[in-house]
Amino acid sequence: EIVLTQSPGTLSLSPGERATLSCRASQSVSSSYLAWYQQKPGQAPRLLIYGASSRATGIPDRFSGSGSGTDFTLTISRLEPEDFAVYYCQQYGSSPGALVTFGGGTKVEIK
Amino acid sequence: EVQLVESGGGLVKPGGSLRLSCAASGFTFSSYSMNWVRQAPGKGLEWVSSISSSSSYIYYADSVKGRFTISRDNAKNSLYLQMNSLRAEDTAVYYCASSHILYRFTFDYWGQGTLVTVSS
Repeated sequence: EIVLTQSPGTLSLSPGERATLSCRASQSVSSSYLAWYQQKPGQAPRLLIYGASSRATGIPDRFSGSGSGTDFTLTISRLEPEDFAVYYCQQYGSSPGALVTFGGGTKVEIK
Repeated sequence: EVQLVESGGGLVKPGGSLRLSCAASGFTFSSYSMNWVRQAPGKGLEWVSSISSSSSYIYYADSVKGRFTISRDNAKNSLYLQMNSLRAEDTAVYYCASSHILYRFTFDYWGQGTLVTVSS
């Protein structure tokens, strides 16, 4: 099973600042299979990035994804008030009973 | 507009059963793989199960294998999750999610979820 470790657990920033979120995999992940989601309190998750770096439909260009192998990054270039939320990375691989795994999440909170 | 609406959640005793449904609209349901993902209260996301567009391929997390059954009815644009032998640790909000057209296990649209509580 591929374990995804997200850091930091919480990121305290002000609107307008840059946010850099890390997702590290316990073994190499195909870039095609790495996604990022945003979840606000009381809401369902929303797909932000798929294939490690492609933005989903309707996602603003301040969100960008990068990385390969075991290290992936979600960057929010300038935080807007609506960006304060929890972010999850997710991968899928070949372990049948653990085909899909999520990271533990990074909470981006207002400083 | 894509819409996914879950139903069927509720309070059930340990060892009991529950069937969740997800009604889909706004896209060609029969062309897409579908998924269930759950979230325990205050916790992160956990993948539960996936089913291909024609039901040919079905996958389960180890934590639910042998107890849960995913199915779909393309004529009714509906996805289901039959949950048997429920345990306290199955308590969670269960989300129905559609798969990205190119990446089967990337979840591009999500319902609002239905809460399942397993407690005596």
